[in-house]
This record gives sequence, C-alpha cells and structure tokens, in this order.
Amino acid sequence: QKEVEQNSGPLSVPEGAIASLNCTYSDRGSQSFFWYRQYSGKSPELIMFIYSNGDKEDGRFTAQLNKASQYVSLLIRDSQPSDSATYLCALVGNAGNMLTFGGGTRLMVKP
Amino acid sequence: EPEVTQTPSHQVTQMGQEVILRCVPISNHLYFYWYRQILGQKVEFLVSFYNNEISEKSEIFDDQFSVERPDGSNFTLKIRSTKLEDSAMYFCASSDRGGTNTGELFFGEGSRLTVL
Repeated sequence: QKEVEQNSGPLSVPEGAIASLNCTYSDRGSQSFFWYRQYSGKSPELIMFIYSNGDKEDGRFTAQLNKASQYVSLLIRDSQPSDSATYLCALVGNAGNMLTFGGGTRLMVKP
Repeated sequence: EPEVTQTPSHQVTQMGQEVILRCVPISNHLYFYWYRQILGQKVEFLVSFYNNEISEKSEIFDDQFSVERPDGSNFTLKIRSTKLEDSAMYFCASSDRGGTNTGELFFGEGSRLTVL
C-alpha cells in the first residue's frame, strides 16, 4: 500500500475556476501535512502546511485535513494559467522526521 | 531572499566513478536534507543531517552514499561508485525547524546526475 496517494492527473480546469487536489495517506500516526508545487524541471516549493483537522486558508489556497478519514486536500480558487504545475502532497509520518511525498497531481489551467 | 544553492546543475559521469554534489544551505538553517527524484517518479528522502551528524537515512542511502558538512557553509553528498540507477535529480533542502515542523523545507534547484 502506497504511503501517500494522489491521482496523477492531469486535472484540467478553466481559468478562474476552483481546482481541487486530493491526497490520502496510510499512516494514521502522520502528524503534519504539506503541499508543494513543482514546475516541470524545477524543485518543489512549499505552498502550505496544515497540522490540525479542519481548513487553513492562505490567499487563494485552502488546505483541508481530515485525520479520521486520512485525507488532505488543496483548493485553489480563481485558478490562473501560472498555477499549472504538479502539486505534491507530503507528510511527516510516524517513522521519523522526514517528508514522504506522493507522486503528485498535474494541474493544467486553461485560459 | 535567502536560497539554497546547489552545484553542479548537471553532471554526467561513467558508471563506477565517484561523484560529489555540493549544496550551500540557507545560512541560519540547522537541518539539512538530501532528496532525489528519478525522472517521472516521486521525490524520495535520502538523508537528514543535524548537529554535524546524520539524523535519519532511508534504505536508498546505503554504504555507497555519504554526507559531510566540511565547513560552516557547505553540505555535500558523495556517491562512491555510481550505478546506472543513481541517475536522478538530487535536491538539497534546509530548514530552521525540526520535529513535526520538519516538512517546511526550502529546496535548492537540484543537481541532475546522469550515469552512463
């Protein structure tokens, strides 16, 4: 069973729409959760982190965490073509203080 | 804005050769990491380093790999005898936070290693 699962996509949304990216994880002891954005050929860039159940908003981004369902999501409001990238879900689990990444979801925002 | 810098950006080497990848973490950061990403695959943890010693390492980080902080600024990853499957993008990352905040990482632009 994969530790962090994401639909690889691509997820295609029109400009101005809400993009919803989802991630599930297997380790119930996971403590902290992160969303990274990775443009093609570039390094991951931290967008948001969430440590507690519920929603956390930062500008156009909202992270949602449900530990009971082992589910974390990222909403991007008013999507822009510049948001087109691969979004990586990552977590710090019970096994140690390192990040475990999912395979990423490729988002395409069409003008 | 402070950034993590990595050199070289791309290195081509023959199988069996030694490779050293270099990183300069952000100056006030205390936690240092190496991750790698094989083309088309996910980002994988290799090793973490804190207080001049390895904190944790993955199964990938076998005896062929080593890390060093030779001075106050550089952080290096050495691969003693490269294999074809070592071909990947290697990312250095640093953080000023440990524990459960350890995921708030700043990544360098990566060093692409090609083993022929």
